[in-house]
Amino acid sequence: EVQLVESGGVVVQPGGSLRLSCAASGFTFDDYTMHWVRQAPGKGLEWVSLISWDGGSTYYADSVKGRFTISRDNSKNSLYLQMNSLRTEDTALYYCAKDEIDGDLGLYYGMDVWGQGTTVTVSS
Amino acid sequence: EIVLTQSPGTLSLSPGERATLSCRASQSVSSSYLAWYQQKPGQAPRLLIYGASSRATGIPDRFSGSGSGTDFTLTISRLEPEDFAVYYCQQYGSSSRTFGQGTKVEIK
Repeated sequence: EVQLVESGGVVVQPGGSLRLSCAASGFTFDDYTMHWVRQAPGKGLEWVSLISWDGGSTYYADSVKGRFTISRDNSKNSLYLQMNSLRTEDTALYYCAKDEIDGDLGLYYGMDVWGQGTTVTVSS
Repeated sequence: EIVLTQSPGTLSLSPGERATLSCRASQSVSSSYLAWYQQKPGQAPRLLIYGASSRATGIPDRFSGSGSGTDFTLTISRLEPEDFAVYYCQQYGSSSRTFGQGTKVEIK
C-alpha cells in the first residue's frame, strides 16, 4: 500500500523550533519530488516547500523562507521539515505529499499521494 | 508568481444538479500543469484531475476538467451526496506549486 505518515507535530511557543517527519512506503521514494503543504484551521491549502528526488534542489514559499528547511533521507524513505523561529501564523495541519512531472511529455501528474497530516500549534 | 483565483467561494446546489467551478490564473498557465483536488472535512486532499482534463485513477466520470490559458473549469455533471466538499485548483511551477483558495460545494 502506498502511504505517507507524518509525525512530530506538537504545541510550541513562538520563537521555538520543531522537526516534522514523513515516512514513505509502498513506492520508490527516491524517484519522486516531495512536498510539505499546510492548512491553517478553517483555511485553504498552502504549499510550503519542495525537495527534488535527490535532495539537490529545495524551494520554499516566501512565508517560510529562511526559517524552514526541507530535507530527505532516501536510505530511510523519509522526508523532514525543520521549522525554526516559529510564529503563531505557522499554526496549521502539515501534510507531506508526492507529485510527478514527465519532463519529456511536459505533463504534470499532480499530488497523487498525501499523508493524513500532523498538527503544529504555535502558542504561548 | 502565478496567483490562482477560484470562484465562486461557495456553491449551493442540490444532489443531481450540475456544478461548475472556475479557476482563473493571473497569467497564462500550460494546461498540462493544472490539477484539481477534492477535500472533505477531516481528510487529506484527493487528486481528481491532472493536466487540466485527465481524471486521476479511480475518479468517476461525472468529474471533468477543461480550459486553457488563464481560465480553467471543473465540472461535476450530477452531484452525488459524497461530492459535497471543498475543491482546489493547483498549478505546477518549476520552483513552486500554487493552490487556489478553494470553492466549497454545499448542499442547498
